[in-house]
Amino acid sequence: QVQLQESGPGLVKPSGTLSLTCAVSGGSISSNQWWNWVRQAPEKGLEWIGEIYHNGMTNYNPSLKSRVAISIDKSKNQFSLKLNSVTAADTAVYYCASLAMATNLFDYWGQGTLVTVSS
Amino acid sequence: QLVLTQSPSASASLGASVTLTCTLSSGHRTYAIAWHQKQPEKGPRFLMKVNSDGSHNKGDGIPDRFSGASSGAERYLAISSLQSEDEADYYCQTWGTGIRVFGGGTKLTVL
Repeated sequence: QVQLQESGPGLVKPSGTLSLTCAVSGGSISSNQWWNWVRQAPEKGLEWIGEIYHNGMTNYNPSLKSRVAISIDKSKNQFSLKLNSVTAADTAVYYCASLAMATNLFDYWGQGTLVTVSS
Repeated sequence: QLVLTQSPSASASLGASVTLTCTLSSGHRTYAIAWHQKQPEKGPRFLMKVNSDGSHNKGDGIPDRFSGASSGAERYLAISSLQSEDEADYYCQTWGTGIRVFGGGTKLTVL
């Protein structure tokens, strides 16, 4: 069973860069999956951030595209999120998730990690 | 633009049934959607995929109390014999070329 675990700083300063990593265990990051980032701001709904395939192909939420970069490290079986020029509005629980390419369905989720943007 | 619309809240009594609705934006009424359950302090849990013809495919371990249906641009999640642990936020989600979209979520309260 695939397990996903997010890690990274829990506090980021305004105008800084949010950086998170998702470690994949129990499966290969080179499998036929899209590797996704989703977030949930306090008292708000789920928001899709973007995704990456093992060949490096990416898709991003148009509303965040100018500030987001998702990368993949096959040697470490992990993928990462960078969100720059952050503001308090980027305070959220960030989830990594896998999505099966064959079905377009999310199948595994991490537990989530809270990132607070504050000085 | 691909948009999913959900009512912000719903409520029903313990042991009763409830149906949650997700509406696809104009031009997207043939899209399939997925339903996810989100409980506090937990990652989302995939419940089922609902196709435009009303057929649905549930995730592993999802009880028979959960079912899906479709009518036009609306996709439904029906929960029968409500239990206290069903109190959660429910999100519909769909996809297009290079994009994934979530609805705003419905907070289900079990009275």
